[in-house]
Amino acid sequence: DAKTTQPNSMESNEEEPVHLPCNHSTISGTDYIHWYRQLPSQGPEYVIHGLTSNVNNRMASLAIAEDRKSSTLILHRATLRDAAVYYCILRDPNAGGTSYGKLTFGQGTILTVHP
Amino acid sequence: GAVVSQHPSWVICKSGTSVKIECRSLDFQATTMFWYRQFPKQSLMLMATSNEGSKATYEQGVEKDKFLINHASLTLSTLTVTSAHPEDSSFYICSARAPPAGGNTDTQYFGPGTRLTVL
Repeated sequence: DAKTTQPNSMESNEEEPVHLPCNHSTISGTDYIHWYRQLPSQGPEYVIHGLTSNVNNRMASLAIAEDRKSSTLILHRATLRDAAVYYCILRDPNAGGTSYGKLTFGQGTILTVHP
Repeated sequence: GAVVSQHPSWVICKSGTSVKIECRSLDFQATTMFWYRQFPKQSLMLMATSNEGSKATYEQGVEKDKFLINHASLTLSTLTVTSAHPEDSSFYICSARAPPAGGNTDTQYFGPGTRLTVL
């Protein structure tokens, strides 16, 4: 599986934008970029995913570099409830065998939001 | 987004007993579900892939006879931890693969997790 690299931790102030980076220099042409976040003692929560174009939804925006070797998750106005571990994961939906559909979690970025 | 539930949310049991955890997709059918385990301050580790109507596929190092997975319907998968021991104490999380929407790729949605404590 292609790997991702994320900073161990980041901090932000409430109501400010947050840009969470992710490097994936070995991404393949069929890999989708998925972002999940996990609050303490909860299961991961789907945030957003994309392939080539930038994506927006009610939770966040995903900016994908033109060469797709990096991406940035953007939280437009951080709230205290956004404090979580954010995971950037590559997934190839066409991968066969036991790899099909798998999400491989790294260590993620711990986001701390200050009031 | 799609909703996945787990039951129970927490369980405490004695060493040597078996524990069953249920994972349900509430508003969609999931041909594939996944079971993860997470130890404190660590990331999620995939244990197995559960396909409806067929045997589960286990990741390397996961004992299939200890962690029994059944995916009998399109909305329910169960994980049974047999003869549980204290080292099996962990946070168990399932996810369900929702079909693609609007021509996009499919997405996985996660349950809230089950905290297992084995005394």
